Amino acid sequence: QSVLTQPPSASGTPGQRVTISCSGSSSNIGNNYVYWYQQLPGTAPKLLIYRINQRPSGVPDRFSGSKSGTSASLAISGLRSEDEADYYCSAWDDSLSGVVFGGGTKLTVL
Amino acid sequence: EVQLVESGGGLVKPGESLRLSCAASGFTFSNAWMSWVRQAPGKGLEWVGRIKRKTDGGATDYSAPVKGRFTISRDDSKNTLYLQMNSLKIEDTAVYYCATWDLVKPLDYWGQGTLVTVSS
Repeated sequence: QSVLTQPPSASGTPGQRVTISCSGSSSNIGNNYVYWYQQLPGTAPKLLIYRINQRPSGVPDRFSGSKSGTSASLAISGLRSEDEADYYCSAWDDSLSGVVFGGGTKLTVL
Repeated sequence: EVQLVESGGGLVKPGESLRLSCAASGFTFSNAWMSWVRQAPGKGLEWVGRIKRKTDGGATDYSAPVKGRFTISRDDSKNTLYLQMNSLKIEDTAVYYCATWDLVKPLDYWGQGTLVTVSS
């Protein structure tokens, strides 16, 4: 079981807005930044969102992040077929003194 | 352009050792903190550990499942990161990625990964 909890799957049609949740605790999400990674099929993960809601250069503003208490969310608006991928949340965990990941959410674009 | 190229993966038996390498280019390696992340077949991401730059003491941190068995080191003269894996277990089977660790954007750049298979 992963320390951070994500739904295993999510789906949407092109143009829709979808959100992916990530639930943790006070030792990780509650007191630290949240990061999101996108992993396209057969490729290495890519940093998508850092420090809760910041986008690295090149990441479209269709992707946004938020946090409330011990939970975080990734929102994707204007869904496109190329967004079909696995998405992982992560945070530093003060109790474990290390990075923890969610189990990943497989996003399907119908 | 930042490039990270892992090598050294392969098939080993339980209890054996293996050393992975990660050749870095496109940035000042000696200034970078670095990390290893693994992904078991069909599973999610799991952080293995990180190493700070020498000017920050060069300290290492490890996840609980690998602590005491794995060692992360670096050779700044060769722009290379290493992962020494001892007493390998079947559950260590995974693709191992090296990644840069920026204090603002941890795990910013990733290599393509190298597969380690532990099987009898």
